[in-house]
Amino acid sequence: KAGVTQTPRYLIKTRGQQVTLSCSPISGHRSVSWYQQTPGQGLQFLFEYFSETQRNKGNFPGRFSGRQFSNSRSEMNVSTLELGDSALYLCASSLGAKTGDSYNEQFFGPGTRLTVL
Amino acid sequence: AQSVAQPEDQVNVAEGNPLTVKCTYSVSGNPYLFWYVQYPNRGLQFLLKYITGDNLVKGSYGFEAEFNKSQTSFHLKKPSALVSDSALYFCAVRDGGGSGAGSYQLTFGKGTKLSVIP
Repeated sequence: KAGVTQTPRYLIKTRGQQVTLSCSPISGHRSVSWYQQTPGQGLQFLFEYFSETQRNKGNFPGRFSGRQFSNSRSEMNVSTLELGDSALYLCASSLGAKTGDSYNEQFFGPGTRLTVL
Repeated sequence: AQSVAQPEDQVNVAEGNPLTVKCTYSVSGNPYLFWYVQYPNRGLQFLLKYITGDNLVKGSYGFEAEFNKSQTSFHLKKPSALVSDSALYFCAVRDGGGSGAGSYQLTFGKGTKLSVIP
């Protein structure tokens, strides 16, 4: 079974631009979560999608948004980039369920390394 | 709110010796606990999880972890360390009950860098 894939792997943008990152979950997985990893803040939860609906959201400004498609693929978008948005963005997929299934582990992709200049 | 503490930024251990990476957690409901490992320029790889049942959980690559409810700890252990175990290790928690039920939001510790010395 193919793992979680993320594209692109590396991205360089300038302040003020916007960026879209893509994540394809493991086949059959319906939950996709996004995390930001930085040396200072560590791993922080951005949001989670299940069946095209945002189920949970972390403490990030509205410049960070996401969506999920009917095939469970997900995209996240960051508008008006700031220097502090430079990070490794990780996507994770899980089987997911409507309720009571949150004990399933998440499988992570290799990440997209975003550098904002 | 849930939180995870990994008190050691770095752990050094000689090859062949036992290793322990410490983790303590705080969560209002039932804790779902996870350990992940990250190699340079790679995503996180799942090692093991505790949901319920036996307090000693066995995982991938010979790792195990001991859940201690009274001490709210979930330390990662391995009887004999390998040089290839050198990596960044993350403990994570998810609230398995109450308002967190059904949510996949993981709260991670800051990570512990493990160095196994030949």
